[in-house]
Amino acid sequence: QKEVEQNSGPLSVPEGAIASLNCTYSDRGSQSFFWYRQYSGKSPELIMSIYSNGDKEDGRFTAQLNKASQYVSLLIRDSQPSDSATYLCAAFSGGYNKLIFGAGTRLAVHP
Amino acid sequence: DGGITQSPKYLFRKEGQNVTLSCEQNLNHDAMYWYRQDPGQGLRLIYYSQIVNDFQKGDIAEGYSVSREKKESFPLTVTSAQKNPTAFYLCASSALAGGIGETQYFGPGTRLLVL
Repeated sequence: QKEVEQNSGPLSVPEGAIASLNCTYSDRGSQSFFWYRQYSGKSPELIMSIYSNGDKEDGRFTAQLNKASQYVSLLIRDSQPSDSATYLCAAFSGGYNKLIFGAGTRLAVHP
Repeated sequence: DGGITQSPKYLFRKEGQNVTLSCEQNLNHDAMYWYRQDPGQGLRLIYYSQIVNDFQKGDIAEGYSVSREKKESFPLTVTSAQKNPTAFYLCASSALAGGIGETQYFGPGTRLLVL
């Protein structure tokens, strides 16, 4: 069974700090990767997608992909209390033709 | 105003009852998906459809059924054979099926509870 692993947290960071969320995946054939944010009781919303090794920046968010290490991360700069949520990492497995989700990391940003 | 709608927001099921969850999208997306989310767990794929009148089982299809008669609609029926249906059900869609993995966008979800 192909898996995506995330630390469940909670990851607690002070307001204004950088939050670093990490994810590993087991399927070397995975081709695309996604980060979703999910507030309690709500559905996931897309934050970032990344397909190539390296960094991809969008505002306060930076996604990093290292296919050799099978590692994806999400950095949130200048963290705000409104960033407090569960962050889901997902990897698309071409071999299985489906998106595989991790269980999520809960982030808590405190004032 | 494009998006994915799911109804109802909350659904209560009695023992032995079949219930149907609605999912509609006006994004002109080809592919649609149903996921189940249990507390503290990742999303698990129930069924997906890449084209009208065709659908495939996901990882946990037992006790569920779907149809795809229109591009915009992908209803999910939770049958009485599903013994533990209490969960948060999420419908998603993507522009293209397969390939490198098109971005999936989610509806607001339906929370199913057993009476």
